[in-house]
Amino acid sequence: RKEVEQDPGPFNVPEGATVAFNCTYSNSASQSFFWYRQDCRKEPKLLMSVYSSGNEDGRFTAQLNRASQYISLLIRDSKLSDSATYLCVVNVERRLAFGKGNQVVVIP
Amino acid sequence: ETGVTQSPTHLIKTRGQQVTLRCSSQSGHNTVSWYQQALGQGPQFIFQYYREEENGRGNFPPRFSGLQFPNYSSELNVNALELDDSALYLCASSYKTGGVTEAFFGQGTRLTVV
Repeated sequence: RKEVEQDPGPFNVPEGATVAFNCTYSNSASQSFFWYRQDCRKEPKLLMSVYSSGNEDGRFTAQLNRASQYISLLIRDSKLSDSATYLCVVNVERRLAFGKGNQVVVIP
Repeated sequence: ETGVTQSPTHLIKTRGQQVTLRCSSQSGHNTVSWYQQALGQGPQFIFQYYREEENGRGNFPPRFSGLQFPNYSSELNVNALELDDSALYLCASSYKTGGVTEAFFGQGTRLTVV
């Protein structure tokens, strides 16, 4: 079983719509969780950390469910500039384990 | 910008050759990790260096080796290149404390092995 599983998509989203996706992780000892954004042929950039209480940053909301070992990301009022791959990232011991990413394409 | 820089940005090598990739960490960061990202995949952990010592290694063969220098810059060396080594190589720096901190990535080196 992979450490972090994501459905790669693509997720084709009309501009202004809401899109949500999640990932599951296998290591129950994982301590920290993140969403990174990666544009085509660029490096990943931290979008937000994910906390058990849930957290929000503008149009982005992240949730962590430790019991079920899944993490979610919701994007409201999608913009064309949100088109990217969103990587679910879990800290496992000393390293980061990445999912394959959810590819989001926002359509005008 | 993250303050993490990698060189070169692109590289083409022939199978069997050796390559050295370089990374300058963000100021104040004492930990550097290297990742390999194949097309359509998420980054895969190669190894991590903390205060010039290897501090964890992923499932990569010994021909992948590294160094971290006193100024916390780092190198990734790959010997006997294979076609499957073609990928984006990412360096990430962070500051190791008792907890976990965020990692900041360089722009990557795109290696093509022909």
